[in-house]
Amino acid sequence: SAVISQKPSRDICQRGTSLTIQCQVDSQVTMMFWYRQQPGQSLTLIATANQGSEATYESGFVIDKFPISRPNLTFSTLTVSNMSPEDSSIYLCSVGEGGSSGEQFFGPGTRLTVL
Amino acid sequence: GQNIDQPTEMTATEGAIVQINCTYQTSGFNGLFWYQQHAGEAPTFLSYNVLDGLEEKGRFSSFLSRSKGYSYLLLKELQMKDSASYLCAVLSGGSYIPTFGRGTSLIVHP
Repeated sequence: SAVISQKPSRDICQRGTSLTIQCQVDSQVTMMFWYRQQPGQSLTLIATANQGSEATYESGFVIDKFPISRPNLTFSTLTVSNMSPEDSSIYLCSVGEGGSSGEQFFGPGTRLTVL
Repeated sequence: GQNIDQPTEMTATEGAIVQINCTYQTSGFNGLFWYQQHAGEAPTFLSYNVLDGLEEKGRFSSFLSRSKGYSYLLLKELQMKDSASYLCAVLSGGSYIPTFGRGTSLIVHP
């Protein structure tokens, strides 16, 4: 199984600012994903981070708000831009080979609070 | 689209058995996952069902009925450490990424 680390583990930010979250994996992985988990809610997929090309965003999420980088097969960043209190959530990075070939492994998450 | 339904919360007694149900409505079903998530931690994989029937793994078992759009996670000999949220996730429609239900918060008390 992959070991995934995220930085920061938590942060408190002011409205209108941006925060970049880093995800580091201890091995090369094909697929990396970014999820959001709001209080009491399920995991919602934000986007698939593609190595060497633009991320694939899910309905309701756009690149201007959540720019993503994936410079190599072990690292990705998610930026939450122009934050508002509604962005307060846990953001999780996950990796997997996709579909039935295996489960997804999740990072420990970044707990974001926007004031 | 998909619709995944789980009870919001369940309580059970240490040493007992609990069954957490998940119903789903989807097209092109390809498989169903169960994950465990302790408070403040990342979800961890428990099971994956693609065919009908029961898959047993220690104290945990997972059941699937594709015709009924139904799965359950069975936890035996409950321990206090089993208090967590249990997420049902469905793979369907040619997607390689599962859609997660809201999760069931299980509280195990002495």
